Amino acid sequence: GQNIDQPTEMTATEGAIVQINCTYQTSGFNGLFWYQQHAGEAPTFLSYNVLDGLEEKGRFSSFLSRSKGYSYLLLKELQMKDSASYLCAVVDSNYQLIWGAGTKLIIKP
Amino acid sequence: SAVISQKPSRDICQRGTSLTIQCQVDSQVTMMFWYRQQPGQSLTLIATANQGSEATYESGFVIDKFPISRPNLTFSTLTVSNMSPEDSSIYLCSVGAQGPQNEQYFGPGTRLTVT
Repeated sequence: GQNIDQPTEMTATEGAIVQINCTYQTSGFNGLFWYQQHAGEAPTFLSYNVLDGLEEKGRFSSFLSRSKGYSYLLLKELQMKDSASYLCAVVDSNYQLIWGAGTKLIIKP
Repeated sequence: SAVISQKPSRDICQRGTSLTIQCQVDSQVTMMFWYRQQPGQSLTLIATANQGSEATYESGFVIDKFPISRPNLTFSTLTVSNMSPEDSSIYLCSVGAQGPQNEQYFGPGTRLTVT
C-alpha cells in the first residue's frame, strides 16, 4: 500500500527553527509537495522537490532524499502566522497525489 | 496561479437531501479535482472532473452519491446526494497548474454540516 507519515503535532517558539519530517512509501515517485493550511482555509502551495537536495525559498526550505523516501520542511525565524498545518504530498507513478495527514504546528511566543 | 471560487461557502443541510457545490476558475484549466477533508484529517480525493466525459472516481466514491458535472474548462459542480451526518466535511475544488511542477491550487472550500 501507499503510505505517508508525518508527526501529528509539533510545538515551537517564535523566532526559532523547526523541521517537519515526512517519510513515504509509494508506488513510484514523481515529486513531493509541501502545502500550508491555516485553520478553516484551503491548502496553499509551498514547495516542490523532485531531485535530491535542498530547495530554499525565503524562510522556508524543503529537502528530499529519494533513496531514503524522506523529506523535511524547514521553517526559520518562526512567526506566529506560521501556526498552521503542513501537508506532505507525493506524486506516484500514476501521477496521483498521495496526501499525508498533515502536521499541526503550534508557535508559542 | 489560478483564482478559484466555490459556492456555497458553507451550508447546513438535513439528512436525506442533496447539495450541489459549484467551482469556478478564472482561467481555462485541464485538470479539476474534488476533495473531501474531514475535521482534523488530510485530503481525500473524491474524483477528477473531466471536461466532456464522465468523472473518474476514486475507490470508495461512486457517481450515484457524488455526481459531478464539467460543462467547460472553467466550471464544475459536485453534488452530495442523499446526505447523512457522515457526509459532514469540507469539500474542496482544486485545479492542476500547467507546467513541470503541476502543483494544485485550491478553492476556499465548502463547509457542509448534515443534521
